[in-house]
Amino acid sequence: KAGVTQTPRYLIKTRGQQVTLSCSPISGHRSVSWYQQTPGQGLQFLFEYFSETQRNKGNFPGRFSGRQFSNSRSEMNVSTLELGDSALYLCASSQDRPPHIATNEKLFFGSGTQLSVL
Amino acid sequence: EDKVVQSPLSLVVHEGDTVTLNCSYEVTNFRSLLWYKQEKKAPTFLFMLTSSGIEKKSGRLSSILDKKELFSILNITATQTGDSAVYLCAVEDTRNTGKLIFGQGTTLQVKP
Repeated sequence: KAGVTQTPRYLIKTRGQQVTLSCSPISGHRSVSWYQQTPGQGLQFLFEYFSETQRNKGNFPGRFSGRQFSNSRSEMNVSTLELGDSALYLCASSQDRPPHIATNEKLFFGSGTQLSVL
Repeated sequence: EDKVVQSPLSLVVHEGDTVTLNCSYEVTNFRSLLWYKQEKKAPTFLFMLTSSGIEKKSGRLSSILDKKELFSILNITATQTGDSAVYLCAVEDTRNTGKLIFGQGTTLQVKP
């Protein structure tokens, strides 16, 4: 079973540009979450999608957006890039579960996209 | 504001040593606490804890949760150089599906 696939692996952009990152979840997984990882802040939640709908959103500016397609693949977009957007962007997938039931589900992470903004 | 704090932030030990990594949390609607190991890029799942006092084990790794005192520990016995990694603690709350609140991570270096 293939894991979570993120493309591209590395990206170099300049300030003001925009970027689109892609994530293909594990087959059968319908939930996709995005995280930003920086040395200073650690991993921070960006947003989560399920069935093409954003279910949850973190505290990031509107320059950060995402979407999910009918095949559960997801993309995130960052517009008007800033130097501080340089980070490892991780995508994670999981099967859906009722929010009120604790199960042994867990998130499966991809290897990330390393974004450098110059 | 919900938060997760890990300690120490970094640790250097020699092969064969035993290490204990700490994770404390303040999360209003706790559902579960998870430990991940991050060696290069992709964090890999280690444990998920939901109940107090029940130890989870996997080989030389074990973890336990104390919901009264709001902390968890991850123990690694007989450390090996392959245990060198960043260990991440994360908490999930009941209101926000798919969202994990991560600690800063503990960077463990195991020297031969």
